[in-house]
Amino acid sequence: AQKITQTQPGMFVQEKEAVTLDCTYDTSDPSYGLFWYKQPSSGEMIFLIYQGSYDQQNATEGRYSLNFQKARKSANLVISASQLGDSAMYFCAMREDSNYQLIWGAGTKLIIKP
Amino acid sequence: GAVVSQHPSWVICKSGTSVKIECRSLDFQATTMFWYRQFPKQSLMLMATSNEGSKATYEQGVEKDKFLINHASLTLSTLTVTSAHPEDSSFYICSARDAGGSTGELFFGEGSRLTVL
Repeated sequence: AQKITQTQPGMFVQEKEAVTLDCTYDTSDPSYGLFWYKQPSSGEMIFLIYQGSYDQQNATEGRYSLNFQKARKSANLVISASQLGDSAMYFCAMREDSNYQLIWGAGTKLIIKP
Repeated sequence: GAVVSQHPSWVICKSGTSVKIECRSLDFQATTMFWYRQFPKQSLMLMATSNEGSKATYEQGVEKDKFLINHASLTLSTLTVTSAHPEDSSFYICSARDAGGSTGELFFGEGSRLTVL
């Protein structure tokens, strides 16, 4: 069964608009962490934001925020005021505390239009 | 933030030759490093987990004799693609966990694009 699901293979968004990238997860581990990474065309992976399963508040990092809905097992990434440089692949990942590794979603290709 | 350096970033080799890719954590100690392979437009596929001073743990379906991993120090892990063939052409990326970090965040190298002719 898919543990991390990103249902949007690709998205086009107008510059300066906000964008939400979906991520749902499946785990029975009560303790876990959720991550979002950005991968531009150059290939490197850039860490964006982290949410722990016990964190009471949604994580925020500059223009990035994570809409964490624990009961729904969703961890959507929200990018406010999108910029052309935001065009990239975005990956959602989960680390269960019982397992040291990251489990990856399939990714969403985001293209920001001028 | 923590930096992971991967070298080379791009390599082209002939079929049958071996290629070594280095992954270095520049400003932190990494007891564990991970090696991934990424096919075009796909997510990262974990190949193996590299632990300093011990044998790597390979994921199912990954040939350990084909992809040799060595983690000789707390800041260096190497992946050697032995007797490379065109089907080994891919983007290989490493990551390292800061042993002193609190979130379990992984820091990634820039990736290495391997093309086997």
